[in-house]
Amino acid sequence: ETGVTQSPTHLIKTRGQQVTLRCSSQSGHNTVSWYQQALGQGPQFIFQYYREEENGRGNFPPRFSGLQFPNYSSELNVNALELDDSALYLCASSARLAGGSQYFGPGTRLLVL
Amino acid sequence: TQLLEQSPQFLSIQEGENLTVYCNSSSVFSSLQWYRQEPGEGPVLLVTVVTGGEVKKLKRLTFQFGDARKDSSLHITAAQPGDTGLYLCAGPPWSGGGADGLTFGKGTHLIIQP
Repeated sequence: ETGVTQSPTHLIKTRGQQVTLRCSSQSGHNTVSWYQQALGQGPQFIFQYYREEENGRGNFPPRFSGLQFPNYSSELNVNALELDDSALYLCASSARLAGGSQYFGPGTRLLVL
Repeated sequence: TQLLEQSPQFLSIQEGENLTVYCNSSSVFSSLQWYRQEPGEGPVLLVTVVTGGEVKKLKRLTFQFGDARKDSSLHITAAQPGDTGLYLCAGPPWSGGGADGLTFGKGTHLIIQP
C-alpha cells in the first residue's frame, strides 16, 4: 500500500510569486484535504476535494485554490505569495466514509522571502 | 467555530515516568483523533476514538474519549525517548455533512529525557 506523497519537499519563493504544490493520495482513498501549519502551531484546514470538486473550505482567501484529478491526486495553488504564507503545507487523504480518519503526507516546506 | 485546547503546551520528563496530555473543547465532536508529529514531517495517526467514554490502548499509550464527546486524554506509561514529539488532537465537525476538514489543537510538545 502506497502512502501519501507530496512534492516538492522544500521550496523558496519571493513575495508576489505563485506556487503549485502536489499530492498523491493513499491507494483506496478518494478525498484529499490540504492544511497549513505555521511553526509551532497545529495544522489549519485550507480546503478539501472530493470527486474533483471543492467540498469545503477553511478561513483562507481565494488566492488559495486547488484541483483534484481523476486519479484522486491533487494540487494546491497559491497566488500573490505573502511572507505569512511561509509554512509547512500538508496534504491528507481519506476514504470518504471512513469516519474522518485522515492520513498525512510528509509536507512541503514553503519559505517566502 | 469549534476549538480544541491542549494542555500542557510543553512537557519535559525523565524516561520511565508517566504522563497525561489533555484535549478539551466546549463543542461536541463526532470523533477525535490523536496524531504524533516529528520535526519536518507530517502528523502520523495514532488512534481515532468514536464512542463517548471509549478507551483505546496502543501498547503503552491509553486514549480516552469523554462521555460527552467534548474532551479526550492521552496517557503514556513508562515514557521512552522515542515518545518525544508533538502530540496533536483533532476532530471533524459534528455535523458530519459537507467538508470533513479537521480542527486541530495547537499540540503538546513532549520531550522524554534519557
